[in-house]
Amino acid sequence: KAGVTQTPRYLIKTRGQQVTLSCSPISGHRSVSWYQQTPGQGLQFLFEYFSETQRNKGNFPGRFSGRQFSNSRSEMNVSTLELGDSALYLCASSLSRFEQYFGPGTRLTVT
Amino acid sequence: GENVEQHPSTLSVQEGDSAVIKCTYSDSASNYFPWYKQELGKRPQLIIDIRSNVGEKKDQRIAVTLNKTAKHFSLHITETQPEDSAVYFCAASESGGAGKSTFGDGTTLTVKP
Repeated sequence: KAGVTQTPRYLIKTRGQQVTLSCSPISGHRSVSWYQQTPGQGLQFLFEYFSETQRNKGNFPGRFSGRQFSNSRSEMNVSTLELGDSALYLCASSLSRFEQYFGPGTRLTVT
Repeated sequence: GENVEQHPSTLSVQEGDSAVIKCTYSDSASNYFPWYKQELGKRPQLIIDIRSNVGEKKDQRIAVTLNKTAKHFSLHITETQPEDSAVYFCAASESGGAGKSTFGDGTTLTVKP
Protein backbone atom coordinates (compact mmCIF):
# COMPACT_ATOMS: atom_id res chain seq x y z
CA LYS A 1 0.00 0.00 0.00
CA ALA A 2 1.17 3.50 -0.70
CA GLY A 3 2.02 5.54 2.36
CA VAL A 4 0.66 8.88 3.45
CA THR A 5 1.45 11.60 0.95
CA GLN A 6 1.51 15.34 1.40
CA THR A 7 1.67 18.16 -1.11
CA PRO A 8 3.41 20.41 -1.59
CA ARG A 9 6.59 19.34 0.18
CA TYR A 10 7.99 22.85 0.42
CA LEU A 11 6.29 26.22 0.40
CA ILE A 12 7.42 29.79 0.84
CA LYS A 13 4.80 32.40 1.62
CA THR A 14 4.71 36.03 2.72
CA ARG A 15 3.16 37.32 5.92
CA GLY A 16 -0.54 37.99 5.51
CA GLN A 17 -1.03 35.42 2.76
CA GLN A 18 -2.96 32.21 3.14
CA VAL A 19 -1.91 28.66 2.36
CA THR A 20 -3.58 25.31 1.76
CA LEU A 21 -1.82 22.02 2.42
CA SER A 22 -3.03 18.64 1.26
CA CYS A 23 -2.80 15.16 2.74
CA SER A 24 -3.74 11.84 1.17
CA PRO A 25 -4.04 9.05 3.75
CA ILE A 26 -3.23 5.39 3.31
CA SER A 27 -5.97 3.69 1.35
CA GLY A 28 -8.75 2.62 3.71
CA HIS A 29 -7.72 4.94 6.54
CA ARG A 30 -10.55 7.26 7.52
CA SER A 31 -8.85 9.21 10.31
CA VAL A 32 -6.48 12.04 9.43
CA SER A 33 -4.71 14.17 12.02
CA TRP A 34 -2.57 17.25 11.52
CA TYR A 35 0.43 18.30 13.60
CA GLN A 36 2.76 21.28 13.61
CA GLN A 37 6.42 20.54 14.28
CA THR A 38 8.83 23.31 15.27
CA PRO A 39 12.22 23.17 17.01
CA GLY A 40 10.92 25.20 19.93
CA GLN A 41 7.45 23.72 20.45
CA GLY A 42 7.94 20.15 19.28
CA LEU A 43 4.99 18.28 17.81
CA GLN A 44 1.67 19.95 18.50
CA PHE A 45 -1.75 18.59 17.62
CA LEU A 46 -3.85 20.76 15.32
CA PHE A 47 -6.97 18.73 14.54
CA GLU A 48 -8.30 15.32 13.63
CA TYR A 49 -10.86 14.42 11.02
CA PHE A 50 -12.83 11.23 10.69
CA SER A 51 -15.41 10.58 7.98
CA GLU A 52 -15.46 14.25 6.97
CA THR A 53 -16.13 15.43 10.55
CA GLN A 54 -13.70 17.19 12.85
CA ARG A 55 -13.40 14.88 15.81
CA ASN A 56 -10.78 16.72 17.89
CA LYS A 57 -9.18 20.14 17.86
CA GLY A 58 -5.98 21.42 19.42
CA ASN A 59 -5.20 24.81 20.88
CA PHE A 60 -4.50 26.77 17.75
CA PRO A 61 -6.13 30.04 16.67
CA GLY A 62 -9.04 30.10 14.26
CA ARG A 63 -6.65 31.01 11.42
CA PHE A 64 -5.92 27.29 11.26
CA SER A 65 -8.72 25.27 9.73
CA GLY A 66 -9.15 22.00 7.96
CA ARG A 67 -11.53 19.75 6.18
CA GLN A 68 -11.82 16.19 4.96
CA PHE A 69 -13.36 14.98 1.76
CA SER A 70 -15.44 11.89 1.10
CA ASN A 71 -12.34 10.03 -0.17
CA SER A 72 -10.63 10.77 3.20
CA ARG A 73 -8.16 13.22 1.68
CA SER A 74 -7.71 16.19 3.94
CA GLU A 75 -6.65 19.79 3.58
CA MET A 76 -5.58 22.31 6.12
CA ASN A 77 -5.67 26.03 5.58
CA VAL A 78 -3.82 28.79 7.37
CA SER A 79 -5.02 32.32 6.77
CA THR A 80 -3.23 35.58 7.48
CA LEU A 81 0.14 33.89 7.83
CA GLU A 82 2.52 35.02 10.56
CA LEU A 83 6.28 34.47 10.83
CA GLY A 84 5.63 32.08 13.71
CA ASP A 85 3.67 29.78 11.43
CA SER A 86 6.91 28.65 9.80
CA ALA A 87 7.08 24.96 10.60
CA LEU A 88 6.89 21.42 9.31
CA TYR A 89 3.25 20.42 9.00
CA LEU A 90 2.71 16.72 9.34
CA CYS A 91 -0.40 14.73 8.73
CA ALA A 92 -0.98 11.22 9.98
CA SER A 93 -3.58 8.67 9.05
CA SER A 94 -5.02 5.82 11.07
CA LEU A 95 -7.18 2.81 10.36
CA SER A 96 -8.14 2.20 13.96
CA ARG A 97 -8.03 4.85 16.66
CA PHE A 98 -4.52 3.81 17.59
CA GLU A 99 -1.59 3.34 15.21
CA GLN A 100 -0.81 6.48 13.27
CA TYR A 101 1.28 6.69 10.12
CA PHE A 102 2.85 9.99 9.26
CA GLY A 103 3.36 11.65 5.92
CA PRO A 104 6.66 13.29 4.93
CA GLY A 105 5.37 16.73 5.88
CA THR A 106 5.11 20.12 4.21
CA ARG A 107 7.87 22.56 5.13
CA LEU A 108 6.25 26.02 5.28
CA THR A 109 8.44 29.10 5.44
CA VAL A 110 6.81 32.46 6.06
CA THR A 111 8.88 35.53 5.18
CA GLY B 1 -5.43 18.97 28.86
CA GLU B 2 -2.74 16.32 28.73
CA ASN B 3 0.88 17.20 29.44
CA VAL B 4 3.77 14.86 28.60
CA GLU B 5 7.28 15.32 29.93
CA GLN B 6 10.18 13.42 28.39
CA HIS B 7 13.68 12.86 29.77
CA PRO B 8 16.50 13.07 28.96
CA SER B 9 16.54 15.55 26.09
CA THR B 10 19.82 14.11 24.81
CA LEU B 11 21.36 10.70 25.36
CA SER B 12 24.69 9.40 24.14
CA VAL B 13 25.63 5.73 24.46
CA GLN B 14 28.28 3.38 23.14
CA GLU B 15 27.27 0.83 20.56
CA GLY B 16 26.04 -2.28 22.31
CA ASP B 17 24.92 -0.46 25.45
CA SER B 18 21.29 -0.02 26.49
CA ALA B 19 19.33 3.23 26.29
CA VAL B 20 16.35 4.22 28.41
CA ILE B 21 14.03 7.16 27.77
CA LYS B 22 11.33 8.08 30.27
CA CYS B 23 8.05 9.95 29.95
CA THR B 24 5.44 11.06 32.44
CA TYR B 25 1.90 12.11 31.64
CA SER B 26 -0.73 14.03 33.56
CA ASP B 27 -4.14 12.85 32.37
CA SER B 28 -5.27 9.64 34.00
CA ALA B 29 -7.73 9.18 31.13
CA SER B 30 -4.86 8.57 28.68
CA ASN B 31 -4.86 4.98 27.57
CA TYR B 32 -2.58 4.74 24.55
CA PHE B 33 1.18 5.41 24.59
CA PRO B 34 3.11 5.21 21.30
CA TRP B 35 6.80 5.84 20.67
CA TYR B 36 8.08 7.33 17.44
CA LYS B 37 11.53 7.46 15.89
CA GLN B 38 12.38 10.40 13.66
CA GLU B 39 15.59 10.38 11.70
CA LEU B 40 16.98 13.64 10.41
CA GLY B 41 14.82 15.02 7.62
CA LYS B 42 12.37 12.14 7.76
CA ARG B 43 8.88 11.54 9.05
CA PRO B 44 8.17 10.16 12.54
CA GLN B 45 7.75 6.39 12.45
CA LEU B 46 5.86 4.36 15.01
CA ILE B 47 8.28 1.87 16.57
CA ILE B 48 6.26 0.46 19.45
CA ASP B 49 3.14 1.26 21.42
CA ILE B 50 1.40 0.13 24.57
CA ARG B 51 -2.16 0.33 25.78
CA SER B 52 -3.21 0.95 29.35
CA ASN B 53 -4.30 -2.62 30.01
CA VAL B 54 -0.73 -3.88 29.46
CA GLY B 55 2.30 -3.32 31.68
CA GLU B 56 5.07 -4.23 29.26
CA LYS B 57 5.53 -4.91 25.57
CA LYS B 58 8.59 -6.12 23.72
CA ASP B 59 9.63 -6.18 20.07
CA GLN B 60 13.10 -7.58 19.47
CA ARG B 61 15.55 -5.02 20.94
CA ILE B 62 12.86 -2.54 21.91
CA ALA B 63 10.59 -2.68 24.94
CA VAL B 64 8.14 -0.30 26.55
CA THR B 65 6.93 -0.40 30.15
CA LEU B 66 3.95 1.40 31.61
CA ASN B 67 3.18 2.26 35.21
CA LYS B 68 -0.35 3.63 35.27
CA THR B 69 -0.31 4.34 38.99
CA ALA B 70 2.75 6.56 38.70
CA LYS B 71 1.71 7.82 35.25
CA HIS B 72 4.98 7.08 33.57
CA PHE B 73 6.18 4.93 30.73
CA SER B 74 9.62 4.16 29.39
CA LEU B 75 11.34 3.04 26.21
CA HIS B 76 14.18 0.57 26.50
CA ILE B 77 16.54 -0.15 23.62
CA THR B 78 19.06 -2.94 24.14
CA GLU B 79 22.21 -3.70 22.14
CA THR B 80 22.11 -0.28 20.53
CA GLN B 81 23.45 0.18 17.02
CA PRO B 82 24.55 3.35 15.17
CA GLU B 83 21.35 3.19 13.08
CA ASP B 84 19.36 3.66 16.29
CA SER B 85 20.64 7.25 16.34
CA ALA B 86 17.59 9.50 15.91
CA VAL B 87 15.12 11.64 17.83
CA TYR B 88 12.62 9.59 19.83
CA PHE B 89 9.23 10.95 20.82
CA CYS B 90 6.81 9.56 23.33
CA ALA B 91 3.13 10.42 23.15
CA ALA B 92 -0.04 9.94 25.14
CA SER B 93 -3.57 9.84 23.87
CA GLU B 94 -6.74 10.56 25.75
CA SER B 95 -9.59 8.11 25.65
CA GLY B 96 -10.34 9.16 22.08
CA GLY B 97 -7.35 7.30 20.70
CA ALA B 98 -4.18 8.28 18.86
CA GLY B 99 -5.92 10.79 16.63
CA LYS B 100 -5.26 13.45 19.23
CA SER B 101 -1.84 12.73 20.65
CA THR B 102 0.18 14.88 23.03
CA PHE B 103 3.89 14.48 22.38
CA GLY B 104 6.92 14.77 24.60
CA ASP B 105 9.67 17.16 23.51
CA GLY B 106 11.84 14.38 22.13
CA THR B 107 15.13 12.72 23.03
CA THR B 108 18.09 12.89 20.69
CA LEU B 109 19.83 9.53 20.93
CA THR B 110 23.38 9.22 19.62
CA VAL B 111 24.96 5.78 19.43
CA LYS B 112 28.73 5.98 19.09
CA PRO B 113 30.40 3.17 17.16
